[in-house]
Amino acid sequence: SQKIEQNSEALNIQEGKTATLTCNYTNYSPAYLQWYRQDPGRGPVFLLLIRENEKEKRKERLKVTFDTTLKQSLFHITASQPADSATYLCARYTDKLIFGTGTRLQVFP
Amino acid sequence: NAGVTQTPKFQVLKTGQSMTLQCAQDMNHEYMSWYRQDPGMGLRLIHYSVGAGITDQGEVPNGYNVSRSTTEDFPLRLLSAAPSQTSVYFCASSLDYSYNEQFFGPGTRLTVL
Repeated sequence: SQKIEQNSEALNIQEGKTATLTCNYTNYSPAYLQWYRQDPGRGPVFLLLIRENEKEKRKERLKVTFDTTLKQSLFHITASQPADSATYLCARYTDKLIFGTGTRLQVFP
Repeated sequence: NAGVTQTPKFQVLKTGQSMTLQCAQDMNHEYMSWYRQDPGMGLRLIHYSVGAGITDQGEVPNGYNVSRSTTEDFPLRLLSAAPSQTSVYFCASSLDYSYNEQFFGPGTRLTVL
């Protein structure tokens, strides 16, 4: 079966540093990967999408990379702020959208 | 636009009871789906629909039923509730079934005693 794994359950970093979250998948490459942010008690909110033929995508302080050789996507938040604290989910699309378990990011002052 | 709405926000059921979780969207989206979210398990796809009259199973469909008679509505039915169905349920929609971002509802927290 096609799996998607976010290796870190939690990540704590200091304000101003770059947070890097990892998403790994098995079997064949998905057509694209998506990243979402989820705050406690709320539904996920879409952040970025990257296609398998794209190596990198940016949006403001966010950057996503897609390495089909390593079967991995990295999600970076530069100049992190306490307001970035949330759970971040990656999702792979092949014939349906399957989510990873998420990484809880805590940015402390 | 209200986006994706879900009712109820909270529900407590007894084992064996049935109920329907409601989901509606006003964005004219073709694709709708239901997920459940459990601690340590992430979001798991229950059922999805690529358009009115078309539904299909996701990763964990057992014990749930869906129908899509209109573009706007995608109700999820629990046929005979079990404690294992205690979870937070999210409905999502997107423009179509391919690359587009998913818009999620606020969720329904269900407890089965």
